[in-house]
Order: sequence, then C-alpha cells, then structure tokens
Amino acid sequence: SSELTQDPAVSVASGQTVRITCQGDCLYTYSASWYRQKPGQAPILVLYADNNRPSGIPDRISGSRSGDTASLTITGAQAEDEADYHCGSRDISGKHVVFGGGTKLTVL
Amino acid sequence: QVHLQESGPGLLKPSETLSLTCAVSGYSINSGRYWGWIRQPPGKGLEWLGSIYYVGSTYYHPSLTSRVSISMDTSENHFSLDLRSVTAADTAVYYCARIYWVGLTYYFENWSQGTLVTVSS
Repeated sequence: SSELTQDPAVSVASGQTVRITCQGDCLYTYSASWYRQKPGQAPILVLYADNNRPSGIPDRISGSRSGDTASLTITGAQAEDEADYHCGSRDISGKHVVFGGGTKLTVL
Repeated sequence: QVHLQESGPGLLKPSETLSLTCAVSGYSINSGRYWGWIRQPPGKGLEWLGSIYYVGSTYYHPSLTSRVSISMDTSENHFSLDLRSVTAADTAVYYCARIYWVGLTYYFENWSQGTLVTVSS
C-alpha cells in the first residue's frame, strides 16, 4: 500500500481554484514533488521541492507543504489542466521512493 | 536536452525475466546523477522500482529486492532493469527517469515515454 494518500478524484469549474492534497508521515521530513499525467502519456514534473516549478510550467500552478500534507493548487483552472496528478516523496527511511495513488482532476 | 528511451520485449510468459534498457542521450550517465525505474499497472498509480547512482550504488523497492536488479553501462550510456520470475501482476507500463537527489530534495526530473510490458501465458 502507498505511504502517501491522495483523493482519487477532484473536480473544478473552469476558471476556479482547486487544491489537490497528498498526506503521509514522510512529508514531515521530506519534500514533495508533483507529476501531471494525461491519458496515454508519460508523467511530467510540474512541481519539485514542494513549491518550485520547472521551466515551462505556468505560474497558475503552485505548491506548499505543512506538517504531513503537501498541496498542489491550480489558480484559474483551464481545460488543459485536466489530468491525473501524482505526488511523490521519500519514505520514512529516506532510502526509498513512494508515490500517492494519484488524483484525477476534471475541469468542468 | 536529456532524452530517455526504453527498449525491451513487450510480452513475457510467467516465470520469465523482464529485461529493459534505458538509452540516455543529451547527458552522460556517469556525470553524477541518479537514474531510476518506475512502473504503472493499467489503471493504477505509479510505483517506484529502484534507483542507481552513477558510481553504481543501488536502492530497490522493499517488496521487490529479491527479484529486481538495476545496472549501468557507462560505455553505452544506458542503464538496465531486470525483474525475475514475473507474474501477471508485473504487467505495467515501465518508465525510466533521471533523478535529482540532493539532501532532502528528490524528484524525477525527466521521464521516458514508457513501454507496456504484458505478462501472459
């Protein structure tokens, strides 16, 4: 079983703000990364070290971490944001990697 | 720009060994990074399989340590995954990735396109 917990599905009206969360004890210690995956495609990195965006990722995507929970927030969601979002981190031992189960974001 | 491309058989029978190679272009794998394998069963989430450092040290998923091994060939600029004694539960899309790991920060920076491996008799 995954050591990171995500809601399986979240929906948001176009133009509104949505937050996707990721919970796990390892997040008290280690930072989170987030990956966006569209159907039939490989995941791509959208946030690293909790709140840093790689080049090319729009600034409407932001992140944070507090306690055992990391969050990805999309401000002004657009149709192109519809995808599965996976969080990742290191496990308690620090030697292994864990992923959340993924959250399917639907933009209405 | 770093590009990763997997290669290997797409269909295996139960008990066989899954062997995949990840060819890296645009970056020398012995330049000081970690490299890893991740899989995704159909309709499910991502599962980390293991990682290898450019000097050869490895880390494996705790539930797979008896079946998995990752190696590097710096002369060919590729790294490989072997997963022994496969079952239908190993059917998944397999990805290779370049990893950034410094201190408490760890993430999969670049991903391959993925290859579907099916285990069926």
